[in-house]
Amino acid sequence: EAGVTQSPTHLIKTRGQQATLRCSPISGHTSVYWYQQALGLGLQFLLWYDEGEERNRGNFPPRFSGRQFPNYSSELNVNALELEDSALYLCASSLGGSRNTIYFGEGSWLTVV
Amino acid sequence: AQRVTQPEKLLSVFKGAPVELKCNYSYSGSPELFWYVQYSRQRLQLLLRHISRESIKGFTADLNKGETSFHLKKPFAQEEDSAMYYCALGRPGAGSYQLTFGKGTKLSVIP
Repeated sequence: EAGVTQSPTHLIKTRGQQATLRCSPISGHTSVYWYQQALGLGLQFLLWYDEGEERNRGNFPPRFSGRQFPNYSSELNVNALELEDSALYLCASSLGGSRNTIYFGEGSWLTVV
Repeated sequence: AQRVTQPEKLLSVFKGAPVELKCNYSYSGSPELFWYVQYSRQRLQLLLRHISRESIKGFTADLNKGETSFHLKKPFAQEEDSAMYYCALGRPGAGSYQLTFGKGTKLSVIP
């Protein structure tokens, strides 16, 4: 069974541009989560999607947004990129229900220059 | 506000020695606590969760509400335990939906 897959693996953008990261959850999983792992800051919760709806978001500005498609895949958009957006972005998925384990992807490295 | 503190960035122990990775949390209610592990060149994965009260790969963790701690322990470290370990907190009801992670502790087991 394929795990959570993310693309691209690496992305380099310049300040002010937009970045789009993509995530395919494990088959059958309806919940998708996005986390940011910036250097020295640890993993920080960004967004949670379930059944196509945004259920919750972390303490990030509105230029961080995303969506979940009918096939449960998801994309994360970061607008007006800033240097401090450089980080590893992890996607995770789970079955519905808060007691279910979340499974992480390998992440997408975003570098803003 | 939720907060997870892992005071040690790096912990080095000799093979066969006991291991204790510290985790303290800040939360007013009764949280759900997790330990995640990331081995070299592998993705982050769940090691154990306090509600399961299980032992995985010889590791255990007990939730101490009085001390607001959830330390990870193993009596005899193995070289294959070398990895990055993250403690995480989930809110009641939200559980694994929205986790607050600590900054992680890198465990290095010396042969």
